[in-house]
Amino acid sequence: GENVEQHPSTLSVQEGDSAVIKCTYSDSASNYFPWYKQELGKRPQLIIDIRSNVGEKKDQRIAVTLNKTAKHFSLHITETQPEDSAVYFCAAPSRDDKIIFGKGTRLHILP
Amino acid sequence: KAGVTQTPRYLIKTRGQQVTLSCSPISGHRSVSWYQQTPGQGLQFLFEYFSETQRNKGNFPGRFSGRQFSNSRSEMNVSTLELGDSALYLCASSLGTSGGASTDTQYFGPGTRLTVL
Repeated sequence: GENVEQHPSTLSVQEGDSAVIKCTYSDSASNYFPWYKQELGKRPQLIIDIRSNVGEKKDQRIAVTLNKTAKHFSLHITETQPEDSAVYFCAAPSRDDKIIFGKGTRLHILP
Repeated sequence: KAGVTQTPRYLIKTRGQQVTLSCSPISGHRSVSWYQQTPGQGLQFLFEYFSETQRNKGNFPGRFSGRQFSNSRSEMNVSTLELGDSALYLCASSLGTSGGASTDTQYFGPGTRLTVL
């Protein structure tokens, strides 16, 4: 069945460095790829998304890149700050229009 | 605009009981989706409702059901509770105009934490 694999499951980076989280998907027809951030005890919130007609999208320190040929998309966070510590989820639609989430990446920003 | 709200926030039930969770979407949003979040399985899609009709359903047993009312508010019901049903249940609303929750920005509620003893 359709699957979204997310790596790594845990990531620790020094404050000020960059963080990259990668997701692969299986359905070549998938056309919408959101990233959600969930802080401890809070609800998931959309931080950036990309549709299949573009290869990259940026919003200040956050960017998402999409490689449709390889069926993977990545979240890039530059100049990381303590408030970036959270769990990040990627998602993609399945062939039957269900949303499938990756298992999440716990990002730790080290002082 | 007020965000998505869910009630109750916390619930403790025993095995075999049933439970009903409620979700009020953002005003103007017609799609409501439900998710189960557990540490081991992450976020799993339960079902999506749009205009009072179930538009899509995840791979959960029939003990999990839902409905949507004419004001877009939604309820989720779990019957014959099992220990494994302990989880955070999140609902999310979206405009619903792009064809399905899988291609719409989801706005999540705070969740209902269900503990089954």
